[in-house]
Amino acid sequence: EPEVTQTPSHQVTQMGQEVILRCVPISNHLYFYWYRQILGQKVEFLVSFYNNEISEKSEIFDDQFSVERPDGSNFTLKIRSTKLEDSAMYFCASSEARSGHTDTQYFGPGTRLTVL
Amino acid sequence: AQSVTQPDIHITVSEGASLELRCNYSYGATPYLFWYVQSPGQGLQLLLKYFSGDTLVQGIKGFEAEFKRSQSSFNLRKPSVHWSDAAEYFCAVGGYNTDKLIFGTGTRLQVFP
Repeated sequence: EPEVTQTPSHQVTQMGQEVILRCVPISNHLYFYWYRQILGQKVEFLVSFYNNEISEKSEIFDDQFSVERPDGSNFTLKIRSTKLEDSAMYFCASSEARSGHTDTQYFGPGTRLTVL
Repeated sequence: AQSVTQPDIHITVSEGASLELRCNYSYGATPYLFWYVQSPGQGLQLLLKYFSGDTLVQGIKGFEAEFKRSQSSFNLRKPSVHWSDAAEYFCAVGGYNTDKLIFGTGTRLQVFP
């Protein structure tokens, strides 16, 4: 069964450093998403991406964040200058198509980001 | 405000017992409802979803959920729990013209032999 994969599984970084989290969505999917879960809190939507541009973003997704599909298979989330409060589990997801409503999203295993 | 509430943070059941995990939502439009499960070290796996039609939906691993519009609920059930069902369960809601899933805080299920 096709799966969303994410690398690395755990990333430790110093405050102020840039990090790039990587995801390989399911191959025939067209929509891509990032969510995060701060320890003890809810899973929160960050951004969705379709046809090489942001489709929707939350208020969390400020100028420190960016997303990119650098090639035909990868989808990345960049945090330009990490803060302590960026420490969280980051989930990538993908869906087949946009059907006028929230589509069925398939999630990867997550990357745990620790900012020291 | 749009939200999902899972009132039970932690539930413990014996193997073979029945299970019901509660989910209530607050959503201003037609809700699209999902249940996901997360085992340790794993991603969020889709158990089932409700978009429209029959309000009782069947999912994987023997789970089912019932949409009750009048109660704004989408409770997850399983008639007989297996030890491998121990995990964290998340209810989520989406809607028209949005990509965003709104998640509940999750319910951790523990299963005793």
